[in-house]
Order: sequence, then structure tokens, then C-alpha cells
Amino acid sequence: DADVTQTPRNRITKTGKRIMLECSQTKGHDRMYWYRQDPGLGLRLIYYSFDVKDINKGEISDGYSVSRQAQAKFSLSLESAIPNQTALYFCATSGAGNTEAFFGQGTRLTVV
Amino acid sequence: GEDVEQSLFLSVREGDSSVINCTYTDSSSTYLYWYKQEPGAGLQLLTYIFSNMDMKQDQRLTVLLNKKDKHLSLRIADTQTGDSAIYFCAERYDGGSQGNLIFGKGTKLSVKP
Repeated sequence: DADVTQTPRNRITKTGKRIMLECSQTKGHDRMYWYRQDPGLGLRLIYYSFDVKDINKGEISDGYSVSRQAQAKFSLSLESAIPNQTALYFCATSGAGNTEAFFGQGTRLTVV
Repeated sequence: GEDVEQSLFLSVREGDSSVINCTYTDSSSTYLYWYKQEPGAGLQLLTYIFSNMDMKQDQRLTVLLNKKDKHLSLRIADTQTGDSAIYFCAERYDGGSQGNLIFGKGTKLSVKP
């Protein structure tokens, strides 16, 4: 089984709809992240969480919200999706003293 | 803010060496990473280097770190078509009290037979 699982893998939604992307990890790590990838722009950090009670905005948090339901679960919500939120979204996790971040397979979101 | 820069494209012939370069701005970075992303897949850690090292070798991969110039490079020897992917440089930024990963925009490596 994958260390980091994202659901759904692909989603097409309409402008104005609310959508939630889910992420769960089996690494037992405290830190979890949501990134967005756009062609030519690399990965940009949306939100990150260093433990269940700690949520922080990243570089591009506007239009997004997150919930850390448990150590292993970190979900990303788009309250009212817009077309420029069409992108590939990655969840990641890392340990506090660990050198490596583990990534999910990504969720391809299309907003029409 | 912190920034990681890398060129967007690199094309090499199979069997040649590839060198992917990266510059970063945060002199207090503790770790620097190279991640590989194959088409349709997530990111996979290739290798990393601790900031007090200047070189690390792992089979076909050689990482060089010039801390003075804040320059990191990844050399892939005997490049194969299976090495075609996007390579991301990242720094672990420990500004403030906790660390984040800052990624470059990625270098797309194309390997021609």
C-alpha cells in the first residue's frame, strides 16, 4: 500500500462547486503538506500542518481551506471552485527530524 | 522570500552525462534535495545532501554543493531514456521555528536515443 494516499485521483467539477481532496498517510509523521503543481511553475505550497492543532498558510492559500482531522489525515477544500484552480494537487508528509518528504500520487482537478 | 531557481529544460543524448543546476537563496538551509517526477506520477526523492557536505555520490548520481555560491547540481552519468523526467531541486527552509520545503520550478530532462 502507498505511504501517502490521495483521493480522488482525478476530478472534474463546475465553477462555484465545493470540492474536497483527501489525503491519508501511514508513515506516522506529524507534518503534512498540500502543494499545487502548474506547468512551468513547479510546486507551490498551499497549506501545511505540523501537528493536529497546527495549521499554517503557505504561499498560495487564498481560495483554499484545510482540515487536519487526525495525525494521518489532512484534507484540502475549495469552497467555491474557479477555473484557475485547475491543477495537479499533491499531498506530502515528513517527520520532524526526517530528511525526506513522501508524496502522494497527485489529484488532477479540472474546474470547468 | 526564499527562492529556488533552476532551468526549465535540458536535452541530452543517451549515454551522455546530464548536469542539472539549481541556485537557492537561504544560506541557513539544512538539507537540499533532488526529486524526480515521471509522467503521471508523484515526486520521488532521488537523493539529498546535508548542508555541511560538498559532494555526495550514489551510483550514477553525483550531487555537488557550493555553499558559498548557493549552487547545487545533480549529475547523472550514462543517462538513459528511463531518466527522462522532471527533476526538482528543493531546500529545507528552517526559517522561523520549523522547516518547510521550497521547490524550484523543475527541469524537464529529455533523453534522445
